[in-house]
Amino acid sequence: DGGITQSPKYLFRKEGQNVTLSCEQNLNHDAMYWYRQDPGQGLRLIYYSQIVNDFQKGDIAEGYSVSREKKESFPLTVTSAQKNPTAFYLCASRGTDTGELFFGEGSRLTVL
Amino acid sequence: AQKITQTQPGMFVQEKEAVTLDCTYDTSDQSYGLFWYKQPSSGEMIFLIYQGSYDEQNATEGRYSLNFQKARKSANLVISASQLGDSAMYFCAMRESYSSASKIIFGSGTRLSIRP
Repeated sequence: DGGITQSPKYLFRKEGQNVTLSCEQNLNHDAMYWYRQDPGQGLRLIYYSQIVNDFQKGDIAEGYSVSREKKESFPLTVTSAQKNPTAFYLCASRGTDTGELFFGEGSRLTVL
Repeated sequence: AQKITQTQPGMFVQEKEAVTLDCTYDTSDQSYGLFWYKQPSSGEMIFLIYQGSYDEQNATEGRYSLNFQKARKSANLVISASQLGDSAMYFCAMRESYSSASKIIFGSGTRLSIRP
């Protein structure tokens, strides 16, 4: 089945450790996005990428890094510089018709 | 700057009634797209409806319709005949321009609760 796969679904880490969240898509979409969601809040854009080897900062990029070495993959690293990393992270790819986003199931990161 | 505002943090509606969720936006672009998504308690994001800035007709998808008022920069979601399964968070989103590298931003959401 075509879709977006995020892993892991749940992740616990100690403060000060870097964490990488995986996002893979088999929809053949060019554009991919990472969002952060805090409890009861909306989605805030971290990074987005249109093509391989190219990405742009979103509204809250500080403390995060990404790579786009393959069209199918857009991993997000939460670095130790991110002051409050505990959150729900959503990855999405963008369809080419209306441009709607197709989302993964999310990764819930808890920093202890 | 691009901005989406949802002013209703929470709403309670009786089952089978219609409900309108408000969304206003701000953009300097002439070409943009507006979206509504539903997020149940499971956390998944479900696409509901899309409206392009040049579309003259309001978008409709089953029980969902988008009341698009371009001059007022509003894109309210109307759910007709609400059902218990409609209880969820609802987010309005905007894609600025139709360029390939466009940002897509979201509002803060409205939590809709349907009463039986």
